[in-house]
Amino acid sequence: TVVTQEPSFSVSPGGTVTLTCGLNSGSVSSTHYASWYQQTPGQPPRNLIYSTNSRFSGVPERFSGSILDNKAALTITGAQAEDECHYYCVLYMGSGISVFGGGTKLTVL
Amino acid sequence: QVQMQESGPGLVKPSDTLSLTCTVSNDSIRTTGYYWGWIRQPPGKGLEWIANIFYKGSTFYNPSLRGRVTISVDVSKNQFSLSLSLMTAADTAVYFCARRRISVANFDSWGQGTLVTVSS
Repeated sequence: TVVTQEPSFSVSPGGTVTLTCGLNSGSVSSTHYASWYQQTPGQPPRNLIYSTNSRFSGVPERFSGSILDNKAALTITGAQAEDECHYYCVLYMGSGISVFGGGTKLTVL
Repeated sequence: QVQMQESGPGLVKPSDTLSLTCTVSNDSIRTTGYYWGWIRQPPGKGLEWIANIFYKGSTFYNPSLRGRVTISVDVSKNQFSLSLSLMTAADTAVYFCARRRISVANFDSWGQGTLVTVSS
């Protein structure tokens, strides 16, 4: 099973960007309990979104999750300079197994 | 707020077995509703889930590492551990321990990570 993410993405400050998380075979649904993580250099990942569209405690409202075109999606509305970092999704594949996507490097410029 | 801290050798030789421990603070590893797991990240690369364990002993492993990896728990010490055998340079990575909510499958708390380098 391969979980796919865009390797890189750019967004202008104040703009909106949607990152996606797909499967090499099949569609992502709510049963995959998609979760999203933000990672800055030298730091552990930080959970942003869980269970497709639930915002983790303390996460700004500009981060939201959804299912779009059979993929999990993370949308940042009103991107800020501090949002420039790597984003990873994780899909639950059943039987206790989780698979990380390869990550997206987001540039804000 | 739960805190997690990885400990173990920073350098291992090829073919050796890596042993890492995660010490959990401000929460009981017996807390129902959570798995305890390991995730790694090679330098400059993405994250890879390794294994999870429930405090009663149920274990779950990444199929690509099955056969080399063992996860265990010591509830008396509020710790869980990772053993990875036959280490190669490809296993060089930052190893994170994390807590995973069972119901919604998210990793909600992470340790800071520990770099393990495989080299002779």
